[in-house]
Order: sequence, then structure tokens, then C-alpha cells
Amino acid sequence: QVLLVESGGGLVKPGGSLRLSCAASRFIFSDYYMGWIRQAPGRGLEWISYISGSGRDKFYAESVKGRFTISRDNARNLLYLQMSSLRAEDTATYYCATARADDGGYYQGFEFWGQGTLVAVSS
Amino acid sequence: DIVMTQSPATLSVSPGERATLSCWASQTVRTNLAWYQQKPGQPPRLLIYDAFTRAPGIPARFSGSGSGTDFTLTISNLQSDDFAIYYCQQYNDWPPTYTFGQGTKLEVK
Repeated sequence: QVLLVESGGGLVKPGGSLRLSCAASRFIFSDYYMGWIRQAPGRGLEWISYISGSGRDKFYAESVKGRFTISRDNARNLLYLQMSSLRAEDTATYYCATARADDGGYYQGFEFWGQGTLVAVSS
Repeated sequence: DIVMTQSPATLSVSPGERATLSCWASQTVRTNLAWYQQKPGQPPRLLIYDAFTRAPGIPARFSGSGSGTDFTLTISNLQSDDFAIYYCQQYNDWPPTYTFGQGTKLEVK
């Protein structure tokens, strides 16, 4: 069964930076698009970023564009989210997830999820 | 951006009965829609993709329907394990925005 384990969360001051990691195992990591989705405390889900299997194609929600950078290391089966210029509204649990895709590579939902890592932005 | 709206915010249904959850898109998403279930303290679980296809391992009690802007998730013969929050998500646009609805909480009546 696919295993995804996020790490790197914690308390950071507004304007600060943090790098989240997602360790993937039990599947061919480089074959999958991956995404980051966050959930503020007591709130709904917000997709924030998406990366192709090769790492060449990257996409961001407007709320994080220019501040967050997604990347991956396929040799080490790791997904990253570099977050900078953090704001109070970035406080959330951050999940990494695998993208399900059809034979043509078209996205069909986030199929496997990690347990999440909590990021708190506060002075 | 495409806005996804779910209704109702909270739905109270008795075990053994049927629950019907709605999701609307602000513009057509064709059948590019997924449904997720989330229980407290857990990550979401993919239930349905492409509007009506059950993800692997999802019981037949869960069914999705709709296309364009109006979608429904129906859960038949509600089990105690089904009481959770349900989210819809569109994935029609490119570059992707993958917008989620705000969720429907399904609670025991």
C-alpha cells in the first residue's frame, strides 16, 4: 500500500520560511504527479500545488503563487514544498497526495494521502 | 476561477437510510469531478472520480451522478462509518485550479 509521510511542519513567525517534505514509498514515485493540499483548522480543503512526475511541470494556486515552490527528488522519493513570506492565513495542516490519472495522464483526483504536517504561522 | 458550492452544509440522516449530497459548479466542469470523505483527524479519502466512477475499494453504496454544473453523491443504507464530512472537487480547468467545495457534514439523526 502506498505510504506518504509528511514532515517539516512547525511554528514560524510571519514573513518566515519553512520547507515541508513528503517521503514516498511502496510505489514508483517518478510515475506519479503529486500534489500539496492544505486544511486550515476547522476549515475545508484547499489545493495549493501540483507537480508532474518528472518535475518539469509545476502549478500553483493563486493564494501561494510566488511564495511557495514545489519540487521533487525522484532518486530519493521525496516531494518538497518550500514556503516563504508566510502569513497567518497559511496556518494549516499540509497534506501531500498522489494524483490518480487515466491512461492519457489526465488527473482524476488525489488518491493516496499522507497524514499531514501542521504549520502554524504566528508571532 | 471555478467556484464549487455544496449543499446542505449539514445533513442529518438516520442509519440505514439514504443520504443525498449536492455540489454545484459556477461553470461547466463536464464530468471532471471527484468526491472525498474525511473523518476527524484523518486525511481525505477519494470516493468517486469522473463524476460517477467509484475509486478502488469503495462500496457500491456510494454513487455519484451529474455532469456540467450539477452533481450528486448518494449514499445508500447509511452505515455508522459513513458519518463524516464530504467534499467535491472539480478538475476541469487548465492550468489546474482543482477547487474544492466547502464540504457537507453528514451527521446521525
